[in-house]
Amino acid sequence: EDKVVQSPLSLVVHEGDTVTLNCSYEVTNFRSLLWYKQEKKAPTFLFMLTSSGIEKKSGRLSSILDKKELSSILNITATQTGDSAIYLCAVGPDKLIFGTGTRLQVFP
Amino acid sequence: GAVVSQHPSWVICKSGTSVKIECRSLDFQATTMFWYRQFPKQSLMLMATSNEGSKATYEQGVEKDKFLINHASLTLSTLTVTSAHPEDSSFYICSAPWTGGREKLFFGSGTQLSVL
Repeated sequence: EDKVVQSPLSLVVHEGDTVTLNCSYEVTNFRSLLWYKQEKKAPTFLFMLTSSGIEKKSGRLSSILDKKELSSILNITATQTGDSAIYLCAVGPDKLIFGTGTRLQVFP
Repeated sequence: GAVVSQHPSWVICKSGTSVKIECRSLDFQATTMFWYRQFPKQSLMLMATSNEGSKATYEQGVEKDKFLINHASLTLSTLTVTSAHPEDSSFYICSAPWTGGREKLFFGSGTQLSVL
């Protein structure tokens, strides 16, 4: 059975802290791993990773895939209160299997 | 970028009634759409894959007769929750894959269903 697991389930930090979110997967047909941010309703796309070892960056967020370890991490540096959200990891291709999510709360 | 529109955003209904949720791809054609369900503080759970012109593919444990899916055109998929019960209360969200850009999957805004 395909499975995507994220850790930690919940994280509470202060503004300015750096956080690392983890995602591990066991799927029979892996093509890509995606990270989404869900604040209220629809998840918004962050990154799509297909190749191992290549870091993707967008501002204070970065992510990397390790196909050997079947995992990925999402880093957020200098966190802000606006980063508070549920971060979802999903494994493709099109029929995405979502992980459990990590609920991040950033306090001033 | 591509947009997926979902209606209604929220709906309250009585037990035993049916509720229809629409998902439209606004500026691209989607031969496939996905329907997810999300309970509070939980992740998105894939319910079914909607296929234009053919039957939907349901995930294990999802009742076909309970959650009717119709993919009537290349831009519209509907999910009907039949004979709704309070335990069907949940957040339902659709998505459609788009091959024209880097973001492979676009999500609708979701529908919060509350069954009284």
